[in-house]
Amino acid sequence: GAVVSQHPSWVICKSGTSVKIECRSLDFQATTMFWYRQFPKQSLMLMATSNEGSKATYEQGVEKDKFLINHASLTLSTLTVTSAHPEDSSFYICSAPSDTREETQYFGPGTRLLVL
Amino acid sequence: AQSVTQLDSQVPVFEEAPVELRCNYSSSVSVYLFWYVQYPNQGLQLLLKYLSGSTLVKGINGFEAEFNKSQTSFHLRKPSVHISDTAEYFCAVSVLNRDDKIIFGKGTRLHILP
Repeated sequence: GAVVSQHPSWVICKSGTSVKIECRSLDFQATTMFWYRQFPKQSLMLMATSNEGSKATYEQGVEKDKFLINHASLTLSTLTVTSAHPEDSSFYICSAPSDTREETQYFGPGTRLLVL
Repeated sequence: AQSVTQLDSQVPVFEEAPVELRCNYSSSVSVYLFWYVQYPNQGLQLLLKYLSGSTLVKGINGFEAEFNKSQTSFHLRKPSVHISDTAEYFCAVSVLNRDDKIIFGKGTRLHILP
């Protein structure tokens, strides 16, 4: 079946550095991908919608200059956390809607970010 | 705007006992409804979804859910749980357009007691 991958699966970085997370749809094309953030023991909060060929759409309260999204191709979206701080430590999950099955979203396995 | 309420943050239940995880939603327009499961340190897996048709939806791992429009509910049930069902369960909604955004509830942690 359809698979969405994320890389890296976990990353530790120093405060002030930038971290790039990749989300790939492995056997289908995705003109839209979604980025979620999940804090420990909490739900997934939608951060932004990544659109191939156009700018990402950010949810209210999400800083677009801090969380840079690039939908480089029909199978790849990247999320860059710029100047990361400890409060950005979280579990980041991407998803992509199926191009064939109605209202089916495929979720990546997530990327755990720890900012020291 | 749409919202999802999962009233129980944690539900303990003995192995082989039945379980119901509650979910209520709010929306001024028609929605799709989903239940996802997240095992420890893993991503999300779709359990089942309601798009239209029969209000009783059967999913994987023996789970089922019933859509009740009048009560705006979509409760998840399983007649007999197993220790491997220990996980976080998320109810979610998506509006019936091409937006595809999914709004999640806060989740319910299911604890299976031996």
